[in-house]
Amino acid sequence: DAKTTQPNSMESNEEEPVHLPCNHSTISGTDYIHWYRQLPSQGPEYVIHGLTSNVNNRMASLAIAEDRKSSTLILHRATLRDAAVYYCILGAIWGGSQGNLIFGKGTKLSVKP
Amino acid sequence: NAGVTQTPKFRVLKTGQSMTLLCAQDMNHEYMYWYRQDPGMGLRLIHYSVGEGTTAKGEVPDGYNVSRLKKQNFLLGLESAAPSQTSVYFCASSYWGLTKGADTQYFGPGTRLTVL
Repeated sequence: DAKTTQPNSMESNEEEPVHLPCNHSTISGTDYIHWYRQLPSQGPEYVIHGLTSNVNNRMASLAIAEDRKSSTLILHRATLRDAAVYYCILGAIWGGSQGNLIFGKGTKLSVKP
Repeated sequence: NAGVTQTPKFRVLKTGQSMTLLCAQDMNHEYMYWYRQDPGMGLRLIHYSVGEGTTAKGEVPDGYNVSRLKKQNFLLGLESAAPSQTSVYFCASSYWGLTKGADTQYFGPGTRLTVL
């Protein structure tokens, strides 16, 4: 399975945008890029995913580099509730993976009031 | 919709005791998973199921058994608990897994298990 590299931690101020980077230089053409987050003492929750094009939803935006070797999760206005560990995960479309997510250590985001 | 629920939320066992963790989902998902999360670490897959009556080993299956007798339930068993199994256990479910395109996993709230 292709691996991802994320900073261990990041800080942000409340109501400012946050850009969480992820490197995945060994990504294959069939790997989707998924982002999940885990709030303190809770299970992970889905944030967003994409394949090649940038994606937006009500929670965040996902910017994918043209060569797909990196991506950035964008929180447009951080709130205190966004303080969590954010995981960037690659998932294969066909074969190989049986559907499980390979979690790394993620990026711990702190949001200051 | 309750989503994914887990029972119990907390449990303390003595070494050698056995227990079963129950995961239930009401979304008619085919795939179900059991993960464990140790302090400061990401989640690791223990076992998973691709449908009713099926189970398969994940990354760290030793010391655990699972059963999927009903589509909505996925049970994780510890036959003889060891201190190394102290962890937070998360159950998840998804429609068809990542093998058929992008899919979303829905996680339960977790079970915090301590083995003394």
